[in-house]
Amino acid sequence: EVQLVESGGGLVQPGRSLRLSCAGSGFVFDDYALHWVRQAPGKGLEWVSGIGWGGASTGYADSVKGRFTISRDNARNSLYLQMNSLRPEDTALYYCAKGMSGSYSGDGFDFWGQGTKVTVS
Amino acid sequence: DIQLTQSPSFLSASVGDRVTITCRASQGISGYLAWYQQKPGEAPKLLIYAASTLQSGVPSRFSGSGSGTEFTLTVSSLQPEDYATYYCQQLNNYPLTFGPGTKVDIK
Repeated sequence: EVQLVESGGGLVQPGRSLRLSCAGSGFVFDDYALHWVRQAPGKGLEWVSGIGWGGASTGYADSVKGRFTISRDNARNSLYLQMNSLRPEDTALYYCAKGMSGSYSGDGFDFWGQGTKVTVS
Repeated sequence: DIQLTQSPSFLSASVGDRVTITCRASQGISGYLAWYQQKPGEAPKLLIYAASTLQSGVPSRFSGSGSGTEFTLTVSSLQPEDYATYYCQQLNNYPLTFGPGTKVDIK
């Protein structure tokens, strides 16, 4: 069974940093791209960042570029999101999602975690 | 960046109705479009990928079509469990983007 479990969320002051983690299991971790998607309270989905299977290919939403860094450790089956210079508008539920191939493009996100809540205030 | 619009943003429908949601992209994305369903308090669920391919386990009443800049999600006969918010997503290139969502409510 595929599982994605996020952790690391919490309450943080504006300007501070936070690191999110996502532990994957039930699939060959280093075969797939992984992504972070967030959802502000009562709002729609916003793609935040994605990383290819090997970690070399990454992408970011304009709203987080230069502040957030995505990375992965395939030996530990883990995905990370380092969030710096946090702003109140970064307040959201952050989901980890699995791509259907090794690269960022093409198909959809077939498995999602339950999310970790980040509050910037 | 590629912008996605969805119409309608809200629709009210009865059980058994045929429902169609449209997603338009600001530039061509070939067939790199996915559709998701999200219910309150739950993570999104993939319904359709590559514009028209039904994800495993998704009921056949869901279908997708389109290419280029215009896409549709159709539910052939709406069921009680289909009341939810539906999002399209383009995966043609970074940054990936989602549409604003279409909420399907009970009439």
